[in-house]
Amino acid sequence: SQKIEQNSEALNIQEGKTATLTCNYTNYSPAYLQWYRQDPGRGPVFLLLIRENEKEKRKERLKVTFDTTLKQSLFHITASQPADSATYLCALDRGGYNKLIFGAGTRLAVHP
Amino acid sequence: GAGVSQSPSNKVTEKGKDVELRCDPISGHTALYWYRQSLGQGLEFLIYFQGNSAPDKSGLPSDRFSAERTGGSVSTLTIQRTQQEDSAVYLCASSPVVTDEQYFGPGTRLTVT
Repeated sequence: SQKIEQNSEALNIQEGKTATLTCNYTNYSPAYLQWYRQDPGRGPVFLLLIRENEKEKRKERLKVTFDTTLKQSLFHITASQPADSATYLCALDRGGYNKLIFGAGTRLAVHP
Repeated sequence: GAGVSQSPSNKVTEKGKDVELRCDPISGHTALYWYRQSLGQGLEFLIYFQGNSAPDKSGLPSDRFSAERTGGSVSTLTIQRTQQEDSAVYLCASSPVVTDEQYFGPGTRLTVT
């Protein structure tokens, strides 16, 4: 079955630096991959979607890459701010009706 | 407009009792999803609705779990004879049929004592 691996250790970076989070999957390549942000006590919030035929997608300070050969997606936040501190979840589709498999998430802490 | 809402926000119940969790999706969203998130874990898919029908119930952990959706809108997740391992945050999400992003509610934190 499909497994998603995200770094379980928190990522601590200095304000202004670029944060890079990794999402690896083990089995079939999904048709698309999504990234969500989750703050404590809240539901996830959609950030970006990248399809299997796209190498890179950008939105403001966010950039996502998708490498189907490496079975990996990288999520970058440039010029990071303390307000970017949250848990970031990677999710893959299982085909068809947008049934998503979520990773456990990586907690990002941006320090002033 | 209003987002996805869930009620109650918190529920504490005794082992063996039944609970009902409610989800109000965004108006017009035909797809509705239930997930469960245990402490430090990823989201676990439970069930999906397209309109009022549930084509995929494969994620329901046991026959104590059931869900329904009426009028293509509100959904209720029912857990019968609750067990301590049912303690988790139950999240609901909805999406328009033609787009891929899911909009999540704030969740219901269920604690079984």
